[in-house]
Amino acid sequence: EAGVAQSPRYKIIEKRQSVAFWCNPISGHATLYWYQQILGQGPKLLIQFQNNGVVDDSQLPKDRFSAERLKGVDSTLKIQPAKLEDSAVYLCASSFQQGTNEKLFFGSGTQLSVL
Amino acid sequence: AQKITQTQPGMFVQEKEAVTLDCTYDTSDPSYGLFWYKQPSSGEMIFLIYQGSYDQQNATEGRYSLNFQKARKSANLVISASQLGDSAMYFCAMREGLDNTDKLIFGTGTRLQVFP
Repeated sequence: EAGVAQSPRYKIIEKRQSVAFWCNPISGHATLYWYQQILGQGPKLLIQFQNNGVVDDSQLPKDRFSAERLKGVDSTLKIQPAKLEDSAVYLCASSFQQGTNEKLFFGSGTQLSVL
Repeated sequence: AQKITQTQPGMFVQEKEAVTLDCTYDTSDPSYGLFWYKQPSSGEMIFLIYQGSYDQQNATEGRYSLNFQKARKSANLVISASQLGDSAMYFCAMREGLDNTDKLIFGTGTRLQVFP
């Protein structure tokens, strides 16, 4: 079974530039998550999709971050314009459905460096 | 208040020995799930073990077991017979049932180093 795919693996940009990340979840997984992991910290949920609808985006900085999941499969996360504090690893995860016992499967992440 | 607390920034253990990684949680929801994930230097989060709040027995998965003490709100991970490949970051996480989103909230992690 193929895992969660993410690209690019690394990205270096200057502040105020734009960047986009792509995620392809495990086939059949209805729920997709984007997490931000700053160095030395645990992952923090940015946005959660159920199919192509947003379930939770309470911690997404909406003035600069946006995400979409067209057709309920792939997803893109965009930052425009980037700030220095956005340097982090962006992890995409998916699960079969919502629920307290549903485990998340994670991709390898995109490491973003903002200079 | 922190939902998930991991008080050990780092732990050392000798190969073949057992090690316990601490995790305490805070919730008023009677329905919740507790997870442990491993994050090696490659960056991917790997699921290790799950414990449901209504589970009567402690969860076990191979060399991993979860010491679940509900009254103390603790869910410590025990790794038996440590191997060099166990060196990684370990994260405790929780999903609550009251919140319709059931989002997974992580602790700050513990870095485990296994030495020969």
